[in-house]
Amino acid sequence: DTAVSQTPKYLVTQMGNDKSIKCEQNLGHDTMYWYKQDSKKFLKIMFSYNNKELIINETVPNRFSPKSPDKAHLNLHINSLELGDSAVYFCASREDGSYEQYFGPGTRLTVT
Amino acid sequence: KQEVTQIPAALSVPEGENLVLNCSFTDSAIYNLQWFRQDPGKGLTSLLLIQSSQREQTSGRLNASLDKSSGRSTLYIAASQPGDSATYLCAAPDYGGSQGNLIFGKGTKLSVKP
Repeated sequence: DTAVSQTPKYLVTQMGNDKSIKCEQNLGHDTMYWYKQDSKKFLKIMFSYNNKELIINETVPNRFSPKSPDKAHLNLHINSLELGDSAVYFCASREDGSYEQYFGPGTRLTVT
Repeated sequence: KQEVTQIPAALSVPEGENLVLNCSFTDSAIYNLQWFRQDPGKGLTSLLLIQSSQREQTSGRLNASLDKSSGRSTLYIAASQPGDSATYLCAAPDYGGSQGNLIFGKGTKLSVKP
C-alpha cells in the first residue's frame, strides 16, 4: 500500500545508454517532483509537474526529460547516460493546498 | 535564491541524551519548513512540517521550532534512542514556497550509542 513508489530500485547501466525510471503515487496528489541525491548525499530538485505541465526545470541537462502520462505518474527518461549521472533519484508528490511532500524510496542509478 | 545550512554535519551522543539539530535558511519569505529523516540506503520520511504561522510543531519525542525573523529552525529530540540514528534533513521552499520547490540542507548524521 505504498504511497509513492519507484521502479526500479537499482539500475546499473553503461555510459551512452538510454534509461527510464518510473514513479507512481496513489495519494491523488496534484504535483510530482524528481530530486537527485549525489554521492555527497546532497539532495537537489530537478523537475516538478502539476496537471501534466512542467512548472519547474532547474539547471538540468536536456538529456533528462520528465514524462507524465497521467496525474499519478511522473517518469524520468535519461538519454546518453554519463558517469556523473550516477546518483540516487527520488520522486515526491504534494497535494495542492498542502506544503508537505511525500517521497518515494529512491532509485540508485550506477553508470559504468 | 534560498540556501539551507545544517549544523553540525555529524553528531554522536549516548542513549538517553536530549539533543538539538540546527537549520538556517537565507530567504525568510517561506510558508513552511519541513524536517525529514533518511536511514542509510532508504528514502526520506517526513517528520514534521511547520507552517510559517506556527512557532513549534511536536510529534512524540520530536519538537521542531521555526523563527522566520532569524532564519532558523531547530529539531529537538528528547531522550534519544539508538533507533534515532539516521541523517536528519531540513528543507525550506524556494520562491516563498509558491511552487513547492524544496531546497535541502546537507543534513546532520546522528549516531546514538547504546
